[in-house]
Amino acid sequence: GQNIDQPTEMTATEGAIVQINCTYQTSGFNGLFWYQQHAGEAPTFLSYNVLDGLEEKGRFSSFLSRSKGYSYLLLKELQMKDSASYLCAVDNTNAGKSTFGDGTTLTVKP
Amino acid sequence: DAGITQSPRHKVTETGTPVTLRCHQTENHRYMYWYRQDPGHGLRLIHYSYGVKDTDKGEVSDGYSVSRSKTEDFLLTLESATSSQTSVYFCAITEGGGYGYTFGSGTRLTVV
Repeated sequence: GQNIDQPTEMTATEGAIVQINCTYQTSGFNGLFWYQQHAGEAPTFLSYNVLDGLEEKGRFSSFLSRSKGYSYLLLKELQMKDSASYLCAVDNTNAGKSTFGDGTTLTVKP
Repeated sequence: DAGITQSPRHKVTETGTPVTLRCHQTENHRYMYWYRQDPGHGLRLIHYSYGVKDTDKGEVSDGYSVSRSKTEDFLLTLESATSSQTSVYFCAITEGGGYGYTFGSGTRLTVV
């Protein structure tokens, strides 16, 4: 079976740093994705991790530990526009299809 | 140029009627997917395609069928719409590997 867990909601302050965690138990693993989804819009791709370690991309970084079934998305220097849902998704190795967590809604306050 | 478009963007239909949603891509990607998104359930895979005429079921395929007769088009049909199929439907494409999905803008379907 597939199980992906993320916190439902988080709140942080503008200019701060926030870490969104994701734990997974899946039957196959070919990488882990993070997507951002603003309210009423489609998700957009943020990052991909297939090897253990940290991938940095501007203000956003993503970390993976395959042995622990754990990932996190780190957002630095938070801006109001970062208020959105963040979706963790595992690539199940079969035709590139991904299983998604329910998402974490991040609210950034002034 | 969006690269992937969905139509219609919004639709209201009656219970028991058939409904077809269209996904069109101009990226020539092999893989196409239909997901539905509901509050409390995140994105759930309905059907996917890994080539022309090659499709397979996802985790919530009951009541849905798909067709892919051309690389660029992937159709999702609700054979007899029910209220439980009221949802936002997203089409996604990818070339595979670590490139992630590109999503269409979504179709908001309401079954009354």
